Amino acid sequence: EVQLVESGGDLVQPGGSMRLSCAASGFTISGYWMHWVRQAPGKGLVWVSRINSDGSSTSYADSVKGRFTISRDNAKNTLYLQMNSLRAEDTAVYYCARGKSTTGDSWGQGTLVTVSS
Amino acid sequence: QSALTQPRSVSGSPGQSVTISCTGTSSDVGAYNYVSWYQQHPGKAPKLMIYDVSERPSGVPDRFSGSKSGNTASLTISGLQAEDEADYYCCSYAGRYLLMFGGGTKLTVL
Repeated sequence: EVQLVESGGDLVQPGGSMRLSCAASGFTISGYWMHWVRQAPGKGLVWVSRINSDGSSTSYADSVKGRFTISRDNAKNTLYLQMNSLRAEDTAVYYCARGKSTTGDSWGQGTLVTVSS
Repeated sequence: QSALTQPRSVSGSPGQSVTISCTGTSSDVGAYNYVSWYQQHPGKAPKLMIYDVSERPSGVPDRFSGSKSGNTASLTISGLQAEDEADYYCCSYAGRYLLMFGGGTKLTVL
């Protein structure tokens, strides 16, 4: 069974940093593009970042470019999102998803990041 | 980056058909055949329903179909069922290696 489990979400102060992880099971992530998508409380989905299968290509939404870094460890079957200089507007549930470069066909249940003093 | 435009809500009775629109620009929806649709029930993760405008992943009922005309993509759900009540989001490739979601549409089954 394909499974994605996000972790690392927590309460952090504005300006702080946090690293999210997404552990995959039931498949090997090395064959897939991987994405991070977030959803602020009561709001819609917002695409954050994606990375290709071997990690050589990444892209970011303008709102997080220069602050967030996506990476992957195919040997550990795990995706990461390093988030720096966090702002209140980064508060959201963060989902990881596997898929193609333009689609996520399987999603995790999400991890909540709260940025507040 | 502006979100794609979706109606806030649509509704239909069981057995009826509903269509949800997703309007972008000639730089995103109109430029690429990379529109996806996701279903999200409250408190749950999104589920892929349509990709590449009109392709259906295995396991998704054929009551769900997608299309595109110009800068507007559409998701049509025929033979509405109670379990179809959910939020629906479109997503398009927007060039410059970026993806963009719509604001979401709440489907109510009357």
